[in-house]
Amino acid sequence: DAEITQSPRHKITETGRQVTLACHQTWNHNNMFWYRQDLGHGLRLIHYSYGVQDTNKGEVSDGYSVSRSNTEDLPLTLESAASSQTSVYFCASSEGDSYNEQFFGPGTRLTVL
Amino acid sequence: AQTVTQSQPEMSVQEAETVTLSCTYDTSESDYYLFWYKQPPSRQMILVIRQEAYKQQNATENRFSVNFQKAAKSFSLKISDSQLGDAAMYFCAYRSGDMRFGAGTRLTVKP
Repeated sequence: DAEITQSPRHKITETGRQVTLACHQTWNHNNMFWYRQDLGHGLRLIHYSYGVQDTNKGEVSDGYSVSRSNTEDLPLTLESAASSQTSVYFCASSEGDSYNEQFFGPGTRLTVL
Repeated sequence: AQTVTQSQPEMSVQEAETVTLSCTYDTSESDYYLFWYKQPPSRQMILVIRQEAYKQQNATENRFSVNFQKAAKSFSLKISDSQLGDAAMYFCAYRSGDMRFGAGTRLTVKP
């Protein structure tokens, strides 16, 4: 069955370190998204991609970057981790237009000490 | 910017009864999409129901239905015959380009 996976599921890092969260989908979807989930804010969009070599900034993109070199993967990099980036991170993918369902990964809990 | 507001941080319902979760949104767009997602303790986000703004007919999916009031910018979720497995966080979301989520409503189902 097609799926979307994230790794690691849990990570603890220190302030100032570079961190990369992996997202891999086997749906063959063109669209991929990264969100962060914080109490009281729901999910907020960090970055998204509509295809290979395409990346776009979302609502809360400062301090994060993504690259899309193939259809299956959209890694999220925190250039210099900050305590404010402690959160649960979700990757999602979808096909086609805005009406289509976004399929979410299981999430990565990141703690920045 | 589009915003989505869920005014009920927590709701509770008795098993087998009906509950309605509220959602309002702010937009100047005329063409957009609305969604309700469920997030159980496993953290997995699951699509419950969706609505296209140009459709006047309210969407239904088994025990789940919506009351879409476009002029009022309201999109409430009704859960009928509530089951213990319905206990979860519920997120309302709006999409016209980016997806915007509300802060969520935690639903408790009492046996």
